Amino acid sequence: QKEVEQNSGPLSVPEGAIASLNCTYSDRGSQSFFWYRQYSGKSPELIMFIYSNGDKEDGRFTAQLNKASQYVSLLIRDSQPSDSATYLCAVNRGKLIFGQGTELSVKP
Amino acid sequence: DAGVIQSPRHEVTEMGQEVTLRCKPISGHDYLFWYRQTMMRGLELLIYFNNNVPIDDSGMPEDRFSAKMPNASFSTLKIQPSEPRDSAVYFCASSLEVTGTYNEQFFGPGTRLTVL
Repeated sequence: QKEVEQNSGPLSVPEGAIASLNCTYSDRGSQSFFWYRQYSGKSPELIMFIYSNGDKEDGRFTAQLNKASQYVSLLIRDSQPSDSATYLCAVNRGKLIFGQGTELSVKP
Repeated sequence: DAGVIQSPRHEVTEMGQEVTLRCKPISGHDYLFWYRQTMMRGLELLIYFNNNVPIDDSGMPEDRFSAKMPNASFSTLKIQPSEPRDSAVYFCASSLEVTGTYNEQFFGPGTRLTVL
């Protein structure tokens, strides 16, 4: 079992819809979780991180954490074509362990 | 702030040659990370430093890879001799601090390495 698992996608959603990106992790001792966005040919950039159970909102983005289920998700409301990218989930264990990423495509 | 700076941005070399990648972290950041990204393996951590000292090099694939951080503003990743399977994008990232909850890393633009 991989330490961090994500569906590779591609996940295709229409413009204006909610995109839901999911991530599971294996180490129950993990304390914080990071979402990065990576455009094709570019470097990863941090969207947000979460360390408490529940939801954390930042603009159109909401991160959700359920430590009991070892599950992290990222919701993108009112998806825009500019949100089309690969989204990387990372678990903090003193170092970041990244998932393979989910490719998101937002269709106009 | 200029962000994390990496050079060169692209490197094409032949198998057996030595390759040196360079990184300048964000000023004031105490942590520096080297990553490699490929389609097959995704983004994987090679090594990271805290205050110029290597802390975890468990991701370094083999002895052909070495990394140094002679001062707070400069690090190198060297591959000698290079092989075609080393072809990848190599990222450098830096962070102000690393705790159980905080590990916000800022990535450089990457070096795309092609070994023929």
